[in-house]
Amino acid sequence: KAGVTQTPRYLIKTRGQQVTLSCSPISGHRSVSWYQQTPGQGLQFLFEYFSETQRNKGNFPGRFSGRQFSNSRSEMNVSTLELGDSALYLCASSSPSGANVLTFGAGSRLTVL
Amino acid sequence: TQLLEQSPQFLSIQEGENLTVYCNSSSVFSSLQWYRQEPGEGPVLLVTVVTGGEVKKLKRLTFQFGDARKDSSLHITAAQPGDTGLYLCAGNNQGGKLIFGQGTELSVKP
Repeated sequence: KAGVTQTPRYLIKTRGQQVTLSCSPISGHRSVSWYQQTPGQGLQFLFEYFSETQRNKGNFPGRFSGRQFSNSRSEMNVSTLELGDSALYLCASSSPSGANVLTFGAGSRLTVL
Repeated sequence: TQLLEQSPQFLSIQEGENLTVYCNSSSVFSSLQWYRQEPGEGPVLLVTVVTGGEVKKLKRLTFQFGDARKDSSLHITAAQPGDTGLYLCAGNNQGGKLIFGQGTELSVKP
């Protein structure tokens, strides 16, 4: 079966702009989590969505937001981009089994100039 | 704040050597996962350990969960260049959240 698909894979933005990243989970997975990965901070949890509802949220400012659609596809948005937002943004989906095992996409590499 | 500390952060070895990566915490986890991430890709699950003292083997990789379920180790025997990547441990805390370690960057030179 198809894995987790993230688009776009690479993008370059300038400070002050906004960006929207998309994630299509594995078919049948209803939980989608988003992480920010940087060399200095490692994987930082952004938020988790389940059945179109935000179930958990990490410690990121309100500029970072997300949503999930009825088909479980998810988007995250970052507004008023800052240089420090440059990172690899990873989306992961998990099955309803409850084991919290994540299948990650390849990520969206965001560079903010 | 629950933390998972991985050590070492960086490891560069020659093909054929053995190595161990450690993942430590002061908190108890209901289970612990190990992932490997290659450049340009997302992390891929290697194993989940659930029971204190559990040992799992995946070819040349041996994973152990501490008796108290606060720590874990990954041992690689006779490392190969294909083992190169970022190794991440992640613990499931009592609240059902997944906490990631900072990762160990492994480079195996031929």
